[in-house]
Amino acid sequence: QVQLQQWGAGLLKPSETLSLTCAVYGGSLSDSYWSWIRQPPEKGLEWIGDINHSGFTNYNPSLKSRVTISVDTSNNQFSLKLTSVIAADTAVYYCVKNFDSWGQGTLVTVSS
Amino acid sequence: QTVVTQEPSMTVSPGGTVTLTCASSTGAVTSGYYAHWFQQKPGQTPRTLIYSTSNTHSWTPARFSGSLLGGKAALTLSGVQPEDEAEYYCLLYCGGSWVFGGGTKLTVL
Repeated sequence: QVQLQQWGAGLLKPSETLSLTCAVYGGSLSDSYWSWIRQPPEKGLEWIGDINHSGFTNYNPSLKSRVTISVDTSNNQFSLKLTSVIAADTAVYYCVKNFDSWGQGTLVTVSS
Repeated sequence: QTVVTQEPSMTVSPGGTVTLTCASSTGAVTSGYYAHWFQQKPGQTPRTLIYSTSNTHSWTPARFSGSLLGGKAALTLSGVQPEDEAEYYCLLYCGGSWVFGGGTKLTVL
């Protein structure tokens, strides 16, 4: 089964850019679609966006202006960038394959 | 943006049956909404139970089933076990993007 391992900075200041990367093991980026999902502390899940094997992206309309998801096929990784972060972006961020395989999650805290 | 609504909480007795539902603010949920259901226990990563309305994964216990019911997506647990106590989230494909419901906290009591 595919395993996803993610990493990135866990503490940001307001206005900085969140950057997370997810490595795919046991599978290829050339099939399926790859998503980012977040969960604020003690709250529900929110879909951020996804990218498919062709590089076509689809973003949550509420975040679209600040989000970029990209793939690095040479390293079998995909990434998330969220610009101009605010405190409300504080959450655990998950990388996900086809909604069936989840990364371990990364807590990102936005605080001055 | 579409709002997806779930029951905030439900309680079921061990061995009982419970149905959680997932409604869309845009109207009746159909197969084209590709409903997914996830289980999340405290401190854990969500686990997918159901995809595309009623399809199960190899790891989905047989007591979990998905369907469409009265214009909503539904997750039915038959023969509930104590370990089924968790938060359950639905996910719908609405107008080109995915939207999660707010979650249902299921208590087994």
